[in-house]
Amino acid sequence: EVQLVESGGGLVKPGGSLRLSCAASGFTFRSYSMNWVRQAPGKGLEWVSSISSSSRYIYYADSVKGRLTISRDNANNSLYLQMHSLRAEDTAVYYCASPVAVGGFWGQGTLVTVSS
Amino acid sequence: EIVLTQSPGTLSLSPGERATLYCRASQSVSSSYLAWYQQKPGQAPRLLIYGASSRATGIPDRFSGSGSGTDFTLTISRLEPEDFAIYYCQQYGSSPITFGQGTRLEIK
Repeated sequence: EVQLVESGGGLVKPGGSLRLSCAASGFTFRSYSMNWVRQAPGKGLEWVSSISSSSRYIYYADSVKGRLTISRDNANNSLYLQMHSLRAEDTAVYYCASPVAVGGFWGQGTLVTVSS
Repeated sequence: EIVLTQSPGTLSLSPGERATLYCRASQSVSSSYLAWYQQKPGQAPRLLIYGASSRATGIPDRFSGSGSGTDFTLTISRLEPEDFAIYYCQQYGSSPITFGQGTRLEIK
């Protein structure tokens, strides 16, 4: 059974930093690309970033480019999102999402609130 | 960037009725890499359809997807009470991955 468990969310002041983690299990993590998707309160889904299986290819939404950094540790089946220079508009639930090829499962999400 | 436009924004139907949701892309979606997700309040999205028409594991056969190129449809043949939720289309064939704005399916 595919499981994705995010952690690391919380309340942070504007301009602050946070590191999100996603622990993956139930599939061959090292073989698949992974994604971060966010959802602001009461809003729709917004893709944030993707990373290929080997970390060779990395993509970001324009809204986060230069401030958020995606990475992964295939030895520990973990996905990360380092967040810097956070803004109020980054407030959202952040989901770790597996690709369609492994069933398109998402974690339960972790809430990031950027507020003074 | 491929922009996905879903219609209608809200669909009000009764259990037992048929629901048809639409997703139009601003340009052709590569190899029909179009998915549909269902999201209920307080829950993560759940994959229903991938590749435009393939049902994900465990998804009831009342859900079906169709379409190609720029026009896609999600059909729920006979609505069950648990089907009332928000539905999103997603294209994953080209970067950046994009989502539609969602269709809210509500009980009439």
